[in-house]
Amino acid sequence: GENVEQHPSTLSVQEGDSAVIKCTYSDSASNYFPWYKQELGKRPQLIIDIRSNVGEKKDQRIAVTLNKTAKHFSLHITETQPEDSAVYFCAATGTYKYIFGTGTRLKVLA
Amino acid sequence: GAGVSQTPSNKVTEKGKYVELRCDPISGHTALYWYRQSLGQGPEFLIYFQGTGAADDSGLPNDRFFAVRPEGSVSTLKIQRTERGDSAVYLCASSIGSYGETQYFGPGTRLLVL
Repeated sequence: GENVEQHPSTLSVQEGDSAVIKCTYSDSASNYFPWYKQELGKRPQLIIDIRSNVGEKKDQRIAVTLNKTAKHFSLHITETQPEDSAVYFCAATGTYKYIFGTGTRLKVLA
Repeated sequence: GAGVSQTPSNKVTEKGKYVELRCDPISGHTALYWYRQSLGQGPEFLIYFQGTGAADDSGLPNDRFFAVRPEGSVSTLKIQRTERGDSAVYLCASSIGSYGETQYFGPGTRLLVL
């Protein structure tokens, strides 16, 4: 069935460094790829998304890249800050049903 | 504007009891979704409503789970004869359309079955 793999499961970086989270999807019909940030006990919040007709999208310190051939997409956070610490989820969909990755716990060390 | 809201925020119940979880979507959003999130996992799809009808309930684990959206706005997820394995966070999301649309999530209901 449809599957999204996400790596790493945990990531610790020093404040100011960059963080990269990678996802691989199985369904070649997927055409929309959102990323959510979830703080402890809070709702998932959309931080950036990308559609299959675009290879890269950037919003300030956050960027997402998509490689349709390899079925890979990645989240890049530059100049990390302590408030970036959270769990990040990638998702993929070609319909209405989001298939989520298992999450990456990012810790930004001050 | 107001985001997706869910009540209650926490629910503790005993095994075998019946529970109802409520979701208020963003006004004007025709699509509504329920997901279940277990500890340390990503959300898993349960059911999708387009308007009043359940367009896809393939993610419901078994027939103890049922959801309604009678007026095309508020939705209720109903769980009968709860089991300890039902303990999880139940998330609701809504979107303005459905295919390839951004889904906005509520804060979830944390269900604990003792």
